[in-house]
Amino acid sequence: DAKTTQPNSMESNEEEPVHLPCNHSTISGTDYIHWYRQLPSQGPEYVIHGLTSNVNNRMASLAIAEDRKSSTLILHRATLRDAAVYYCILRDVGEYGNKLVFGAGTILRVKS
Amino acid sequence: GAVVSQHPSRVICKSGTSVKIECRSLDFQATTMFWYRQFPKQSLMLMATSNEGSKATYEQGVEKDKFLINHASLTLSTLTVASAHPEDSSFYICSARDPGGGRGDTQYFGPGTRLTVL
Repeated sequence: DAKTTQPNSMESNEEEPVHLPCNHSTISGTDYIHWYRQLPSQGPEYVIHGLTSNVNNRMASLAIAEDRKSSTLILHRATLRDAAVYYCILRDVGEYGNKLVFGAGTILRVKS
Repeated sequence: GAVVSQHPSRVICKSGTSVKIECRSLDFQATTMFWYRQFPKQSLMLMATSNEGSKATYEQGVEKDKFLINHASLTLSTLTVASAHPEDSSFYICSARDPGGGRGDTQYFGPGTRLTVL
């Protein structure tokens, strides 16, 4: 399985942008980069995903390096509700398709 | 986004009893569902891939006779923890793949089931 590396934790001030990095140097040409987040005692929530081009949605932006060996999840204005564990995952195409293998993720703390 | 539910949200049982957890996709048909387990302060660990109408595929180290998975319809998968013991106490989370969601195969997760075995 292709692996990802994320910082253990990051801290941000409320209303400021947050850049969450992810390294995936062994990514293959057909791996999608997925981001999920998990609030305490809840199931993960889909945030965004991309393949080669940068992506934007109502929650966040995803900036993908030209060589695809790294990516950055951008929260444009952090709020207290964005405090969560953020997981960067390369989609692994298993026999029955597309299982997600979670790493340790980044704990994001947001200060008011 | 698509909604996945789980029932029950939490269960407390005595050692030796079996516990069934249901996972439902509420507004889409999921041919594939996934079961994860999460211990405190750890990441999610994939247990098995559940496919409608066929046997589940278990990850290495997960006992298929202990964690029985049935995916009888396109909207329901069940996980039964057979003869549960205290070490099975964990947070069990399911997810469902929405192939028609137009999002490159996004998975949607249930809210999780907290199992405590006394």
